[in-house]
Amino acid sequence: GDSVTQMEGPVTLSEEAFLTINCTYTATGYPSLFWYVQYPGEGLQLLLKATKADDKGSNKGFEATYRKETTSFHLEKGSVQVSDSAVYFCALSGESNDYKLSFGAGTTVTVRA
Amino acid sequence: DVKVTQSSRYLVKRTGEKVFLECVQDMDHENMFWYRQDPGLGLRLIYFSYDVKMKEKGDIPEGYSVSREKKERFSLILESASTNQTSMYLCASSQFGSALETQYFGPGTRLLVL
Repeated sequence: GDSVTQMEGPVTLSEEAFLTINCTYTATGYPSLFWYVQYPGEGLQLLLKATKADDKGSNKGFEATYRKETTSFHLEKGSVQVSDSAVYFCALSGESNDYKLSFGAGTTVTVRA
Repeated sequence: DVKVTQSSRYLVKRTGEKVFLECVQDMDHENMFWYRQDPGLGLRLIYFSYDVKMKEKGDIPEGYSVSREKKERFSLILESASTNQTSMYLCASSQFGSALETQYFGPGTRLLVL
């Protein structure tokens, strides 16, 4: 079945450091890919998404490119802030599932001033 | 602003108790979801509802049931709580059936079953 594997955390960074969180997936066909973020004490919210190969999703300085050849959707940000401390989830929606999202385990990121 | 609210942030229950978790959305969304979130496992879908009184099982429905009597409200029921149901429960809603539609999440209910 469809699945998502993302790098284990926790990840601790200093402010202005470069962040990358690896995400790879297993799915048949052409899934859609998402990154959700969960700030402390809050529910998840959509950060960005990409619906076809080579698409780049971007939001709040974060970017991720849908790479079909490597089945990956790595999340990157060039200069993190303390306010980026959160749990980040990679997710996919397979071609055969209209509504269902399959989530990765989540990566906890802590940014220190 | 979009809002999904859950009735409790924290709950402590005893084994064998019947537990109700309530979720309300104010966006007139058709779809509502219940997930549980466990460390190292991410989010797993328990149940999904695409219309009033309609429901579908997710990946881990055993030990749970749901009720959707009104469009804005989706309840998760643990008929007889067990310790392995200790978890964070997240409710979400979305406008249409496609997963391309953004899911909006509530803040979660952390349930401890003793």
